Amino acid sequence: DAGITQSPRHKVTETGTPVTLRCHQTENHRYMYWYRQDPGHGLRLIHYSYGVKDTDKGEVSDGYSVSRSKTEDFLLTLESATSSQTSVYFCAISELTSGGAGEQFFGPGTRLTVL
Amino acid sequence: GQQLNQSPQSMFIQEGEDVSMNCTSSSIFNTWLWYKQDPGEGPVLLIALYKAGELTSNGRLTAQFGITRKDSFLNISASIPSDVGIYFCAGGPMKNNNNDMRFGAGTRLTVKP
Repeated sequence: DAGITQSPRHKVTETGTPVTLRCHQTENHRYMYWYRQDPGHGLRLIHYSYGVKDTDKGEVSDGYSVSRSKTEDFLLTLESATSSQTSVYFCAISELTSGGAGEQFFGPGTRLTVL
Repeated sequence: GQQLNQSPQSMFIQEGEDVSMNCTSSSIFNTWLWYKQDPGEGPVLLIALYKAGELTSNGRLTAQFGITRKDSFLNISASIPSDVGIYFCAGGPMKNNNNDMRFGAGTRLTVKP
């Protein structure tokens, strides 16, 4: 299994509070991603990183920010959590291969509930 | 945004039966990936496809990269109870050299003993 951990694994918070989720990898992969998973929508990309301090938006980035100060850590922040951000959040990592896009490997997920 | 259409949404089959699911897109992809997700866990990669027309097997699983590069299918032969889960396809990359993949909504598989 790829060395990916997420913390916390579960969190319940109140509307309007800031929340930070952490993804940590031991694989030294260049690319890291944050997805949210909701019923009927599959996995939707929030933000991704292609190197230290290099990040870009995904398809559902509103209300989220990210930071990557070290290769191994990728943080997802909800500045002011809303109920619509209740979801399961997955971190993934990947590396380019000679064939182009490389496989993405996923962490165990964080279940976030915003009351 | 880009849409991947995955079908069927759910399947209920008897143990021992074969299963087929597919994904289609309006966009051309260079990579197709198939994942399985068990309850409470992250998706696990099953098969990766990199060439149009490529047919790849992993045990009882077989997947193909469509010749048009806009579709892919996954077959599971002789299903067993542990095949239960949600299967996702993913296509990409959405931008050059960023490994950004787009995921289907998933096929939920139930296997009756």
